[in-house]
Amino acid sequence: EIVMTQSPATLSVSPGERATLSCRASQSVSSNLAWYQQKPGQAPRLLIYGASTRATGIPARFSGSGSGTEFTLTISSLQSEDFAVYYCQQYNNWPPYTFGGGTKVEIK
Amino acid sequence: EVQLLESGGGLVQPGGSLRLSCAASGFTFSSYAMSWVRQAPGKGLEWVSAISGSGGSTYYADSVKGRFTISRDNSKNTLYLQMNSLRAEDTAVYYCAKDLGAYGDYGGYFDYWGQGTLVTVSS
Repeated sequence: EIVMTQSPATLSVSPGERATLSCRASQSVSSNLAWYQQKPGQAPRLLIYGASTRATGIPARFSGSGSGTEFTLTISSLQSEDFAVYYCQQYNNWPPYTFGGGTKVEIK
Repeated sequence: EVQLLESGGGLVQPGGSLRLSCAASGFTFSSYAMSWVRQAPGKGLEWVSAISGSGGSTYYADSVKGRFTISRDNSKNTLYLQMNSLRAEDTAVYYCAKDLGAYGDYGGYFDYWGQGTLVTVSS
């Protein structure tokens, strides 16, 4: 099973600043990586798939990069609605699909 | 508009059974694989099971293999999860999720999710 590790666990950022979230896979997942955003009491929302392709309707301030074992989600200028928990997920070697433990982006 | 509506959650005793349903609308249900993903209270996401668009193939997490059964009725646009021999560690919100893969095959990532249904396993 591929283990996904996200860092940091919590990221404190001021509105308008850039946020950089990391995700590491225990072995290569090529570019088969997705990012999700989850707000309290809500279902996850797909942001990025294929490591760098934005899902339909996702603002351009969200970008993904990386391949192999190291991935990054960047939010270029944080808006109030972006404070949430973010999960990465690999779909290269499955079953099972595996998720990272999440990074909580909170207001500084 | 794509909608996924889960139902069937509730309180069940350890060793008991429950069947979850997910009613889908707004897309051609049989053309997409579907998954169940769960989230224990205050915890992260855990993939549980997946089924192809035709229902011809299914996959399970080791933690539920042999206890849970995923199925679908494409005539009713509904996904199911039969959960038997439930344990306390199965307590979670269960989400159904639409796979973005083409032609009913597995893409592996999920573009629409239901609102979730809470399953609590406790005596």
